[in-house]
Amino acid sequence: GAGVSQSPRYKVAKRGQDVALRCDPISGHVSLFWYQQALGQGPEFLTYFQNEAQLDKSGLPSDRFFAERPEGSVSTLKIQRTQQEDSAVYLCASSRTGGLSGANVLTFGAGSRLTVL
Amino acid sequence: KNEVEQSPQNLTAQEGEFITINCSYSVGISALHWLQQHPGGGIVSLFMLSSGKKKHGRLIATINIQEKHSSLHITASHPRDSAVYICAVGSGGSNYKLTFGKGTLLTVNP
Repeated sequence: GAGVSQSPRYKVAKRGQDVALRCDPISGHVSLFWYQQALGQGPEFLTYFQNEAQLDKSGLPSDRFFAERPEGSVSTLKIQRTQQEDSAVYLCASSRTGGLSGANVLTFGAGSRLTVL
Repeated sequence: KNEVEQSPQNLTAQEGEFITINCSYSVGISALHWLQQHPGGGIVSLFMLSSGKKKHGRLIATINIQEKHSSLHITASHPRDSAVYICAVGSGGSNYKLTFGKGTLLTVNP
């Protein structure tokens, strides 16, 4: 596609519910990143994929968070047993090649805003 | 962990003014990104730089590696420039693991 597409744009969940957030990166982009942006804060790194391989998941805040990219294109971020502190905007970004170097620019999606009641 | 500080946090300007937003970081980096986020909108990458200076239209980004400092300048500012401007840095082998500043909210009044 022309840009990075995320869905849903808005999600309201009751505490304890499971949620799944989807990211459709730019076609052919190798690298895919997930970030969490709390209200009034800058984004925080969650996880990084190169094709289908999850090379770094050190930013995932707990084992309730799980991300996958099984075919190296679409990625899903799943949050189990949501808590109020999970409320944030979840941003997905992709880049053409591996890592971020040279002219490799990040393209962000519009984000998925999760509110946990 | 790299600490990224931006200043000012908030900036209000009149249309036509020259704008400067600053970013300082604590640890050596491989690249620095300037990003723009409109209220309720997505994040757009403006620049990625590792040395020197880049220019795109009315936007200019500079970086001083020795001083661990970067600036984003906007010439002849316009109300449509109103947005949050975010500085983010990547370090070493994990240059993808960006550390973001908290952003600078710019409001340009007509």
